[in-house]
Amino acid sequence: SQTIHQWPATLVQPVGSPLSLECTVEGTSNPNLYWYRQAAGRGLQLLFYSVGIGQISSEVPQNLSASRPQDRQFILSSKKLLLSDSGFYLCAWSGHNSPLHFGNGTRLTVT
Amino acid sequence: GENVEQHPSTLSVQEGDSAVIKCTYSDSASNYFPWYKQELGKGPQLIIDIRSNVGEKKDQRIAVTLNKTAKHFSLHITETQPEDSAVYFCAASMGANFGNEKLTFGTGTRLTIIP
Repeated sequence: SQTIHQWPATLVQPVGSPLSLECTVEGTSNPNLYWYRQAAGRGLQLLFYSVGIGQISSEVPQNLSASRPQDRQFILSSKKLLLSDSGFYLCAWSGHNSPLHFGNGTRLTVT
Repeated sequence: GENVEQHPSTLSVQEGDSAVIKCTYSDSASNYFPWYKQELGKGPQLIIDIRSNVGEKKDQRIAVTLNKTAKHFSLHITETQPEDSAVYFCAASMGANFGNEKLTFGTGTRLTIIP
């Protein structure tokens, strides 16, 4: 069966510091990969999605970037965090015969 | 692009009663409608989904209905239990298969089951 791993679970970072969140998927090949952000009490905003290695589409211009160095690895990064980057970040995957599945998220607090 | 509206934003139901959450979508080309349940501190989990060639789908105490003409779909939970308390999200997308679909989510409904 397929599993998705996302880490860390929680992170507190100062303004201006860099960010790297990692997500890996097991048990499937060539998945579509996604990064979502969920602000407190709000809905799910799609940030990036990827259909293959090195192929990244950005949905919302902002202070973040994404990379896919391997088939089942998706990384969310920032060079300098802003206070507004605080939120709950969710990695997700889908496949040809598999609907969207989310990881357990990373709660990021920028102080 | 697609726009999904979800109501109500909060819902309190006595244990054992039924709960109904409704969503409307704007793009008539949408053909896939999943529902996700998010417990506190966790990622959303898919609980049921429906495609536009089906009007209703049931899975034990959970059912989803779809009205393509009116462009709305609903989640029905019967015999509610305390563990049903969570935030529920509806979503919509178009596409021939799961892999190429980008979901547009509703804003969520916080369901509280009162013991």
